[in-house]
Parts: sequence; structure tokens; C-alpha cells
Amino acid sequence: AQSVTQPDIHITVSEGASLELRCNYSYGATPYLFWYVQSPGQGLQLLLKYFSGDTLVQGIKGFEAEFKRSQSSFNLRKPSVHWSDAAEYFCAVDPDSWGKLQFGAGTQVVVTP
Amino acid sequence: NAGVMQNPRHLVRRRGQEARLRCSPMKGHSHVYWYRQLPEEGLKFMVYLQKENIIDESGMPKERFSAEFPKEGPSILRIQQVVRGDSAAYFCASSPGSSVGAQYFGPGTRLLVL
Repeated sequence: AQSVTQPDIHITVSEGASLELRCNYSYGATPYLFWYVQSPGQGLQLLLKYFSGDTLVQGIKGFEAEFKRSQSSFNLRKPSVHWSDAAEYFCAVDPDSWGKLQFGAGTQVVVTP
Repeated sequence: NAGVMQNPRHLVRRRGQEARLRCSPMKGHSHVYWYRQLPEEGLKFMVYLQKENIIDESGMPKERFSAEFPKEGPSILRIQQVVRGDSAAYFCASSPGSSVGAQYFGPGTRLLVL
């Protein structure tokens, strides 16, 4: 079945440490890929997107993501987290380029001092 | 340039009442999507609309739910005869075109059914 998997439900990271959030998808072709962030009580903000081309994508707030076709993965990274990065992060795919996004379950990131 | 706007931000209804959720897309965007985020669940696609057209409503419950995006005015998600299970956050997103790029989300409407 087609799916988007975020294996980590919850991650705790120290401020200043690096962060990596995992995302795997299972679709026949390479879908459009996205990462969104949601702060409590807020909507979703787009961090970055991948459609084609360079497999390392730069986003806002110092985030980047790398598309690996062989692993069907699109992991999100940040070299040094800030307390304001505490939020829930969602990986999403658009498998048919139709605009019907399929979301992962989300990863809750907690940042400790 | 205003982003996607949704109102109300919070809505309380009693069982059996109707809920109307509004969404104004970003300027220049003609495609609107509705998603629902149930407690302890992820976001699920509900419906995709263009002006005066429903393109894909495969995620909409078969009964009580309807959506429209008229030529003038905001998109409306309508839930008739609400039940407690309809309590959720409803998000609207817009894009300039279905395959053009990313969707930009509004702040959501939190619906609570008593």
C-alpha cells in the first residue's frame, strides 16, 4: 500500500545539537516531497520541497533535506537547533502531482536547554 | 501579501447543528484543498476544489459533508448535523495550480462539538 512513514514519533534534542528527522515513502514513482512544521495551535508552514533535480534541498530556518531514491527517503536535517524549533514536523508526498497530499504521522521535536 | 485566511479560528457547535468553515486562498491562487486533523491522527485529505468545480472529493465522508468554492467569495466547508466525532482541526490550503508547486496552509479552524 502507498504510504508515508515517519518512524520517530518523538525526538528530544539539546539546543545547539544537530537534528535529523526521517521520512520514507512507498510509491511507485518519485512523488513530489515536502516538509512542513506545525507549532501548537497553528497551521502548517512549508519548510522545503523537492520536485526534481538536485537531491539536496535547502529550506527556510536553516533546514535542509536530502532525497535518496535508492532508499525512498527524504530526511530533514538541521545542523544546530534553536529552542524555537520545538514543534511537530510532517513529511508529505504528492504521489500523482495532483495536489492531494499524503502526510506522515508527524514527529514531535522537543528542544532542551 | 496576506496568506491563506480561515475563519472562524474556533467554532463550538452542539450535536445536530451545522458548521460552516470558510477559507480565503492566497492572492493569485485558484486551487483550494481541505484537510482534517483528528486528535491523535495525522492530516487527512478531504477535498480539492477549483473555482466552481470539485476536482477530487475522495476524502470527504459520504454524508453530511460538502464543500464549494464559488466564483466569488471564499471556499466553504459545510458539515451538517455535526456529531462529536467531527471535532477536529480543519485546515485549508491553496496553491496556484495543482502541479505547479507547494500548498500553503491557513491557521485552521478548531471545531468542537459538544
